[in-house]
Amino acid sequence: KQEVTQIPAALSVPEGENLVLNCSFTDSAIYNLQWFRQDPGKGLTSLLLIQSSQREQTSGRLNASLDKSSGRSTLYIAASQPGDSATYLCAVNAGKSTFGDGTTLTVKP
Amino acid sequence: NAGVTQTPKFQVLKTGQSMTLQCAQDMNHNSMYWYRQDPGMGLRLIYYSASEGTTDKGEVPNGYNVSRLNKREFSLRLESAAPSQTSVYFCASIGLEGLPKNIQYFGAGTRLSVL
Repeated sequence: KQEVTQIPAALSVPEGENLVLNCSFTDSAIYNLQWFRQDPGKGLTSLLLIQSSQREQTSGRLNASLDKSSGRSTLYIAASQPGDSATYLCAVNAGKSTFGDGTTLTVKP
Repeated sequence: NAGVTQTPKFQVLKTGQSMTLQCAQDMNHNSMYWYRQDPGMGLRLIYYSASEGTTDKGEVPNGYNVSRLNKREFSLRLESAAPSQTSVYFCASIGLEGLPKNIQYFGAGTRLSVL
């Protein structure tokens, strides 16, 4: 059974800092990995999707990497802003999706 | 383009009552999913439908039924609601055609309380 772990569970940083969120998974037989953002009381918004054959994807200040052999993905956020405050979830897709519990990020002005 | 639409947004039920959560997507996606999200337990898959006319159980199907009415709509039914079904329910869909492939799109969620 696939298990997805996200560390840390919560993170608080001052504005402008670069930061890394971690996602690990136990079964490397995946189709892709997707990072989401969830604001309080809202649904999930897709940020980046990395296919199993890819190593990384970039969108603006976000960069996601995937190391399938070690079962790890990271989400790098450059020059963090207060508007980045949210919960970030990773989901591993292998037919069905398995989600981590998320990292709640607070960026202080 | 509305994406994935869920109704209702909020619902309060008494134990034993029944209700149906509605989900519709306008992206011509084949696959649709129902999840529940609970504090400390993340998102868990209840049921999914890989294509019109097919449905399969996910991780936590007990107490729920689903119907894939057509390609657009995928409903979730609680026949006899229990307090343990208090949760936030999300519907999602995935498109396997076009670019980008395999991105999951989520609805805004239904907050359900069972008293």
